[in-house]
Amino acid sequence: DTEVTQTPKHLVMGMTNKKSLKCEQHMGHRAMYWYKQKAKKPPELMFVYSYEKLSINESVPSRFSPECPNSSLLNLHLHALQPEDSALYLCASSRAGLAVTYNEQFFGPGTRLTVL
Amino acid sequence: KQEVTQIPAALSVPEGENLVLNCSFTDSAIYNLQWFRQDPGKGLTSLLLIQSSQREQTSGRLNASLDKSSGRSTLYIAASQPGDSATYLCAVGYSGAGSYQLTFGKGTKLSVIP
Repeated sequence: DTEVTQTPKHLVMGMTNKKSLKCEQHMGHRAMYWYKQKAKKPPELMFVYSYEKLSINESVPSRFSPECPNSSLLNLHLHALQPEDSALYLCASSRAGLAVTYNEQFFGPGTRLTVL
Repeated sequence: KQEVTQIPAALSVPEGENLVLNCSFTDSAIYNLQWFRQDPGKGLTSLLLIQSSQREQTSGRLNASLDKSSGRSTLYIAASQPGDSATYLCAVGYSGAGSYQLTFGKGTKLSVIP
């Protein structure tokens, strides 16, 4: 199984709502990633979890709150978002550890988020 | 800081033509390089992965090469088809802040005309 799944596929929320994005993989990967992608732009890294611990936060606003409850799941909690946060949110996973020379990221289909 | 550049930004070719997409990166200290395909509004599909010790990888009509010392990679698509129309992203894998990371180029938007 080389699949990364994401739910929901589409999400529309108001600026006062609280919602969560979910990501799951069963490849035994211990590194998981959140990316944000605006239209016609490449993906931008938001967070990296390695062995269920946050290892990289690319100066993301606190209205985005990641969580990694176990090695297969990754959540992104959203609160008080702005219209400019509307984007495609992509999750990815890979083997963790820099000693693993043969590494590769596998991406999910993404969640299309619209903030009204 | 690793920077990745893709040329051209857009490319339109007639069906059946062979084509080359280019990717360059500034720091040669990489683990690997991945080529992805992205259809509009969709996620990323991994096409080819080249390890830093390799020179090329092939999958069907696709061939990717890597020249780490010069900071360049190319994706060759043979006998292009309308179904190949998509945005192609090059991403370099490297060590950043103690974790394996990818830095993406801005992509090449390919249109194959029937």
